[in-house]
Amino acid sequence: GQSLEQPSEVTAVEGAIVQINCTYQTSGFYGLSWYQQHDGGAPTFLSYNALDGLEETGRFSSFLSRSDSYGYLLLQELQMKDSASYFCAVREGGSYIPTFGRGTSLIVHP
Amino acid sequence: EPEVTQTPSHQVTQMGQEVILRCVPISNHLYFYWYRQILGQKVEFLVSFYNNEISEKSEIFDDQFSVERPDGSNFTLKIRSTKLEDSAMYFCASMGAGQAYEQYFGPGTRLTVT
Repeated sequence: GQSLEQPSEVTAVEGAIVQINCTYQTSGFYGLSWYQQHDGGAPTFLSYNALDGLEETGRFSSFLSRSDSYGYLLLQELQMKDSASYFCAVREGGSYIPTFGRGTSLIVHP
Repeated sequence: EPEVTQTPSHQVTQMGQEVILRCVPISNHLYFYWYRQILGQKVEFLVSFYNNEISEKSEIFDDQFSVERPDGSNFTLKIRSTKLEDSAMYFCASMGAGQAYEQYFGPGTRLTVT
């Protein structure tokens, strides 16, 4: 089975940079995804890392270290609309099914 | 931009009743999923469907649950005899061929069992 750990809540101010960490334990690791979910909304795919390193998409970047079973989501130039829950999800080889973490609630203050 | 749609947005039912939640995945997608999210908790996988059959299911997806793709566009989740603990948000998702990691989620159906 898999287990994922991420902080339950992170707070930051507008314009700042915030990093949301995710550590995982799984067999046959294949990739790590990140999803954003606003209150009452559907999860929205943000990024996917299968290889070590940093993937950048606009203000959001995602990092993976397979040897450390660790990844993070980096959000830059924070905006109020970034207040949401952020879920990391791991995918094991042979399955297309991501297993979601419990989510990190990001609160952005003015 | 194509999107996954779900109906109804909110369903209230009495314990023991059957409910059918409906989803229209993105039209050229081949993989379909149901997830649920109990209020304040994480997203939990229920079942995946490919090539007109279930490809994976979780322990949550017991005999009370079934899925169907009755035509070329709809994908349904049926709960035969609802329990109080089935109250949750149910999300449908779909994924295209060659996109082994990017699932597109619908807006969800909030199921309330009383």
